[in-house]
Amino acid sequence: QKEVEQNSGPLSVPEGAIASLNCTYSDRGSQSFFWYRQYSGKSPELIMSIYSNGDKEDGRFTAQLNKASQYVSLLIRDSQPSDSATYLCAVTAVSRTYKYIFGTGTRLKVLA
Amino acid sequence: GAGVSQSPSNKVTEKGKDVELRCDPISGHTALYWYRQSLGQGLEFLIYFQGNSAPDKSGLPSDRFSAERTGGSVSTLTIQRTQQEDSAVYLCASSSSGPIGDTQYFGPGTRLTVL
Repeated sequence: QKEVEQNSGPLSVPEGAIASLNCTYSDRGSQSFFWYRQYSGKSPELIMSIYSNGDKEDGRFTAQLNKASQYVSLLIRDSQPSDSATYLCAVTAVSRTYKYIFGTGTRLKVLA
Repeated sequence: GAGVSQSPSNKVTEKGKDVELRCDPISGHTALYWYRQSLGQGLEFLIYFQGNSAPDKSGLPSDRFSAERTGGSVSTLTIQRTQQEDSAVYLCASSSSGPIGDTQYFGPGTRLTVL
C-alpha cells in the first residue's frame, strides 16, 4: 500500500462544474495535509493546506479532511479551463520528522 | 525574500560525465528536498535534509547519486557517470519545520538531458 494514494485520472469535468479530487493516506499519525497544483512544465505550487478535521475554504477551493477515514479531498467550484493541471496531495507527520510524502497526482481536465 | 533558486536551469551532458546541480533554499528553511520528475511522471523523492540530522537518502536510485548540504543552506546534487535514464527535471524544495505549517516551496528545477 502506498503511503499517499491518488487516482491518476485524467478527471474530466465541464467548465463551471465542481471538480472533486481525492487522496487517502496510510499513516494515522499524519498531521499536515497539502494540495499542490502543477501545470505542465512548471514546478508544483501550493493551493491549500489543512490541519484539522472538517472543511477549509479559500475562494473556489475547499479542502476537506477526515482523519478517522484517512482521506483528504479538494473541491474546485466553478471549474475553469485554467484549472487544468495535475493536483498533488502531500502529507507530513512528526514521526517522519515532517518529511513530505507526495501522492502521484491526479490530472484534471476542465473542458470548455 | 527570494524563493528557492536552482542552477543551472538546463544542463546537457554526455553519457558518462559527472554533473552537479545546485539548490539555494529559502533563507532560514531547515528542511531541503530533492526530487526527480521524468516527462509525464510524478515526483520521485530522492533525498531529504532536515536541520543537522543525518539526511534521508532512501530515494537515491543508485550510488551514482549523492547530495550534500553545506552549512545548513546550499545543497548540491551530484550524479556521477550519467546515464540516459538520468534525463529528467530535478526539483529542489525547502520548508521550515515545526508541528504544523511547514509549507514546501519548490524551485524552478534543472532540466538534465544526457545524450
